Amino acid sequence: GAVVSQHPSRVICKSGTSVKIECRSLDFQATTMFWYRQFPKQSLMLMATSNEGSKATYEQGVEKDKFLINHASLTLSTLTVTSAHPEDSSFYICSARGQLYGYTFGSGTRLTVV
Amino acid sequence: AQSVTQLDSQVPVFEEAPVELRCNYSSSVSVYLFWYVQYPNQGLQLLLKYLSGSTLVKGINGFEAEFNKSQTSFHLRKPSVHISDTAEYFCAVSDQKSGSRLTFGEGTQLTVNP
Repeated sequence: GAVVSQHPSRVICKSGTSVKIECRSLDFQATTMFWYRQFPKQSLMLMATSNEGSKATYEQGVEKDKFLINHASLTLSTLTVTSAHPEDSSFYICSARGQLYGYTFGSGTRLTVV
Repeated sequence: AQSVTQLDSQVPVFEEAPVELRCNYSSSVSVYLFWYVQYPNQGLQLLLKYLSGSTLVKGINGFEAEFNKSQTSFHLRKPSVHISDTAEYFCAVSDQKSGSRLTFGEGTQLTVNP
């Protein structure tokens, strides 16, 4: 079946630094990747949609200069949280959509900014 | 645009009892429907999906759901739950265009008590 690997699973960083989260589709080509943010006890909030080789489409209210998304290949997308602040602390989840497998989710990244 | 309403934010049940988690959706176009399960600090795992065909869909872990177009519902059921079914459950919908985003409900916390 389809597998999406998300790394790291947990990261703690200092305020003002940048953090990169990787999302890889291991056994299929992901034509579209999605990045979500999830607050405790809440649903997933879509941050952006990216298609391989093109710029990401950000949801309203999401700062594209702060949350940089790169989808350089059909198997890899990255989310970089730039100049992180404590309010950026959250659980980030990626999802990849291939032609056959529908939507497959990564295992999530717990970001804590101190 | 689509929207999803999960009617119960929390559902406590006893082990071996049946359970139903309710989901209603709204859409002006034909949709695909999904149920996902999320365990603490993990990503989402697909339980089942409705794309077309039979309205009764069987998924993993003994779960099933029934698509009711007239009532715009997609309720999730299990005849006998286990302690290990304790988790957050999300209903989601997408339109049938390639690359479409998922729209999630707010989630239902299922707690199975001994």
